[in-house]
Amino acid sequence: DAMVIQNPRYQVTQFGKPVTLSCSQTLNHNVMYWYQQKSSQAPKLLFHYYDKDFNNEADTPDNFQSRRPNTSFCFLDIRSPGLGDAAMYLCATSRDPGTDQETQYFGPGTRLLVL
Amino acid sequence: QQQVKQSPQSLIVQKGGISIINCAYENTAFDYFPWYQQFPGKGPALLIAIRPDVSEKKEGRFTISFNKSAKQFSLHIMDSQPGDSATYFCAATIRGGGNKLTFGTGTQLKVEL
Repeated sequence: DAMVIQNPRYQVTQFGKPVTLSCSQTLNHNVMYWYQQKSSQAPKLLFHYYDKDFNNEADTPDNFQSRRPNTSFCFLDIRSPGLGDAAMYLCATSRDPGTDQETQYFGPGTRLLVL
Repeated sequence: QQQVKQSPQSLIVQKGGISIINCAYENTAFDYFPWYQQFPGKGPALLIAIRPDVSEKKEGRFTISFNKSAKQFSLHIMDSQPGDSATYFCAATIRGGGNKLTFGTGTQLKVEL
């Protein structure tokens, strides 16, 4: 089945130690998104790629970076994780926003714990 | 202007009852309104969605009612089941606006036996 896959599902890192989260998709969607979701809150958009074009949200800290080497893969890099970065990180995809296919499809998420 | 307000924050319904979650928006440019269901430890999954040119959309036990003039929309879950216990998020987006979702704050639904 076509889907959005995130690895790892659980990640433990130390304060200040860089960490990379991975997302892949078999949907062949143009757009890939990264969200941060903290407990009992709605997902918060960090940034998204429309093909190779990177779009950062204004309030996303510089500590968060992203790479999209090809259509299928997208990575979230946290350069120096702080305790406040512990959260669920969600990857989502959608087709070209200019079409009728606006639906975003979410992956299962990566739960990040910062010690 | 970009906010989507959602209520209630939590809801307890008896098995077989009707669950109703309400959302309101300000930005009249929004033109696509999806609802997402999220189980603990999982990513949100699209449940049902509506465009403002229709007033109601039904899929199985799930119905969206949309009131364009009042800028409100709601999710009705008929014959609620314990397996429906989850967090529900309404959302809104603007077609051609980068497809960025504006989420409501979420409703934690618990369906009791």
